[in-house]
Amino acid sequence: AQSVTQLDSQVPVFEEAPVELRCNYSSSVSVYLFWYVQYPNQGLQLLLKYLSGSTLVESINGFEAEFNKSQTSFHLRKPSVHISDTAEYFCAVRGNEKLTFGTGTRLTIIP
Amino acid sequence: EPEVTQTPSHQVTQMGQEVILRCVPISNHLYFYWYRQILGQKVEFLVSFYNNEISEKSEIFDDQFSVERPDGSNFTLKIRSTKLEDSAMYFCASTLKGGQPQHFGDGTRLSIL
Repeated sequence: AQSVTQLDSQVPVFEEAPVELRCNYSSSVSVYLFWYVQYPNQGLQLLLKYLSGSTLVESINGFEAEFNKSQTSFHLRKPSVHISDTAEYFCAVRGNEKLTFGTGTRLTIIP
Repeated sequence: EPEVTQTPSHQVTQMGQEVILRCVPISNHLYFYWYRQILGQKVEFLVSFYNNEISEKSEIFDDQFSVERPDGSNFTLKIRSTKLEDSAMYFCASTLKGGQPQHFGDGTRLSIL
């Protein structure tokens, strides 16, 4: 069985400030981890993924996440946020077939 | 970049009616999925489909639900007799290989009256 916990339902951050969105997971099988982003009135877009190899993964728009096996975490970070980062962020784990999602974190950027 | 497309974007249906949600996965993908997101809640897995059969389904996916790949491009979700609690955003996803990231469509918002 798999589960994902996103501890923060909402995170307000000032523009150009750093942000960390927390994600903890549990899985009884091999772990593949993902962050998806959902902009208002849109679908889910893959932000970044951990499948194997380097524990630090990066996206093209400045986000990064680090897989920490001992802490069963996959926190998402960005050193300086922009207004355009306003969205809901979902952490997900894939064991066999399905993705199991967390409850999401709504990131609000304050100008 | 290839996309997963879903139609319609919004479907309004009377309770008890049948509804079919349509998806066109990315053309060379082999694994297909349906998820749903009830307003304000998390995204939940419904069913996965590979090699023309269901490979996994959740407890939500009861006898009222069915999936079909009627031709080489479409992947449909049918709800036979809709209930109020079926109101949700339904997402279709596809991937080329198991373990690879799933690509999602923009969803169909289903409203049951």
